Amino acid sequence: EVQLVESGGGLVQPGGSLRLSCTASGFTFSSYWLTWVRQAPGEGLEWVAHVGPDGSAKYYRDSVRGRFTISRDNAKNSLYLQMNSLRAEDTATYYCARDTYCSGTTCWRMSDSWGQGTLVTVSS
Amino acid sequence: EMVLTQSPATLSLSPGERATLSCRASQTVSNSYLAWYQQRPGQAPRVLIYDASTRATGIPARFSGSGSGTDFTLTISSLEPEDFAVYYCQDRSTWTFTFGGGTKVEIK
Repeated sequence: EVQLVESGGGLVQPGGSLRLSCTASGFTFSSYWLTWVRQAPGEGLEWVAHVGPDGSAKYYRDSVRGRFTISRDNAKNSLYLQMNSLRAEDTATYYCARDTYCSGTTCWRMSDSWGQGTLVTVSS
Repeated sequence: EMVLTQSPATLSLSPGERATLSCRASQTVSNSYLAWYQQRPGQAPRVLIYDASTRATGIPARFSGSGSGTDFTLTISSLEPEDFAVYYCQDRSTWTFTFGGGTKVEIK
């Protein structure tokens, strides 16, 4: 069974830092893209960042580029999101998700397994 | 910058009725790399459709996706009680993904 479990959320002051972790099991971790998606309270989904299977390809939404860093450790089946210079508008539940898988010339482009999320609150 | 506009914002229907949800993109979604997700209250999202029209594993046949270019549709042929939820479309045609604002399907 595919499982993704986030941790590391909590209350942090504006300007502070937080590191989220996502531990995965039940699939070949190093074969998949991985994604962070967030959801502010009562709001919709917002894609944050994603990272390629070997960790070299990384993409971010404009509002977090330069402040957030996505990374992965394939030996530990773990995904991370280092969040610096946090702002009130970063307050949200952060989900990690298993994403695109490619085999040969065929790719399955979707976030097909999600964790239950970890809440980050940025407030003084 | 890609913008996805979902309509209507809220759809009030009864069980057994047909639901038609729209997702309009501000630019062409190349290769129809568009996905649909369902989110029930208090739960993580789950994927329903990818590449605009391919059902994900385990998704019932009452869910179908269609469209290309800038206009996409998610259809639920006959609403079951568990289908009342919020639905999001997602553009995956570039390296930075975008979600639409969501359509809430509520019980009438």
